[in-house]
Amino acid sequence: GQSLEQPSEVTAVEGAIVQINCTYQTSGFYGLSWYQQHDGGAPTFLSYNGLDGLEETGRFSSFLSRSDSYGYLLLQELQMKDSASYFCAVRDRATYNQGGKLIFGQGTELSVKP
Amino acid sequence: NAGVTQTPKFQVLKTGQSMTLQCAQDMNHEYMSWYRQDPGMGLRLIHYSVGAGITDQGEVPNGYNVSRSTTEDFPLRLLSAAPSQTSVYFCASRAQGTRSGANVLTFGAGSRLTVL
Repeated sequence: GQSLEQPSEVTAVEGAIVQINCTYQTSGFYGLSWYQQHDGGAPTFLSYNGLDGLEETGRFSSFLSRSDSYGYLLLQELQMKDSASYFCAVRDRATYNQGGKLIFGQGTELSVKP
Repeated sequence: NAGVTQTPKFQVLKTGQSMTLQCAQDMNHEYMSWYRQDPGMGLRLIHYSVGAGITDQGEVPNGYNVSRSTTEDFPLRLLSAAPSQTSVYFCASRAQGTRSGANVLTFGAGSRLTVL
């Protein structure tokens, strides 16, 4: 099976940088994804790491280290609108031929303060 | 583009009643899935499908049935609702294989279900 662990809450101030970590245990997977969910809304895709290393998309970056079973989402120049829940997710390799189901962590609630 | 459309947005049921949550997508995505979201529990996979006529169980399938007769539609059925099924339900889809977007899951707006 798979399990993902991420902190339940993180607080930071506007303009700061915050890192949300995700560690996982899985028999094999195709990449690590990150999703953002604002209160009352649907999750939306942020980034995907299929290979080790850093992927950058504007103020957001995501990192993956397969050898350490670890990844993180880095948010720079924090804005109030970044207050949301952030989920890491892995696409299961074991069921790849059956679709590669996507399993989510429990989410990290980020609060950005003025 | 409509994307992923879920209906209804809100529903209140009594214990033992049955209902179907509808999900439709217009992106020609092969892969469709249902998640439930409860406070502090993240998103848990209920059932998923990789194409018409093919479905499989996720992490929490008990109490739910699905079918996939067309590429566009993936309804979720509760045969005998229980209070433990009070939750927010999300349908999501993505492309399969090596198609562009195969690693991007698109979610519907959600259906909030309360079982009394």
